[in-house]
Amino acid sequence: DTGVSQDPRHKITKRGQNVTFRCDPISEHNRLYWYRQTLGQGPEFLTYFQNEAQLEKSRLLSDRFSAERPKGSFSTLEIQRTEQGDSAMYLCASSLSPGGQGWDTEAFFGQGTRLTVV
Amino acid sequence: RKEVEQDPGPFNVPEGATVAFNCTYSNSASQSFFWYRQDCRKEPKLLMSVYSSGNEDGRFTAQLNRASQYISLLIRDSKLSDSATYLCVVNKGGSYIPTFGRGTSLIVHP
Repeated sequence: DTGVSQDPRHKITKRGQNVTFRCDPISEHNRLYWYRQTLGQGPEFLTYFQNEAQLEKSRLLSDRFSAERPKGSFSTLEIQRTEQGDSAMYLCASSLSPGGQGWDTEAFFGQGTRLTVV
Repeated sequence: RKEVEQDPGPFNVPEGATVAFNCTYSNSASQSFFWYRQDCRKEPKLLMSVYSSGNEDGRFTAQLNRASQYISLLIRDSKLSDSATYLCVVNKGGSYIPTFGRGTSLIVHP
């Protein structure tokens, strides 16, 4: 399977614990995005990388959240001291985009990691 | 005002009906537009890109109106399998961040 893969698919954790999710994008894609989605809402942007550089972070991304993409390939999203409000689907997406300005291309999504904080 | 707004629905239509969704965006510098489809508890998948001249893919037609800052999706001859949430996606000008609307739920019934 050469699509975007995310691990784990499901995670149940106790409030206050730390969790880490992994995303493996499509191999030649230079852009990687993290989104969070709750029931009845569209995906909300959290952060994105171009290669290994984290170029933008949403205000939704509190200091408990950190993301890395150390070699410009896979990425991890860590949530420290989880809260019940962190329960959501965390989606990763990747795209191959040309340099400079211009039209962007479609983003392909992984199946997501469903986090439940109890 | 949200960057991308959609009527959440649900739109309940019989098989064979024609249904249209609109989506408005707030940033006039936006350059790229897409419609994604999301089935229940699945990831979003690209349905179609939206070009300035409009585009058609089988029963699906997408239109862009830059002056009024909205995009539309028309589905003709609805099938039961079209039941899903349709997400409007806009990339802001100067930003490569796909921004999603909350989605419009479509239910096609026999």
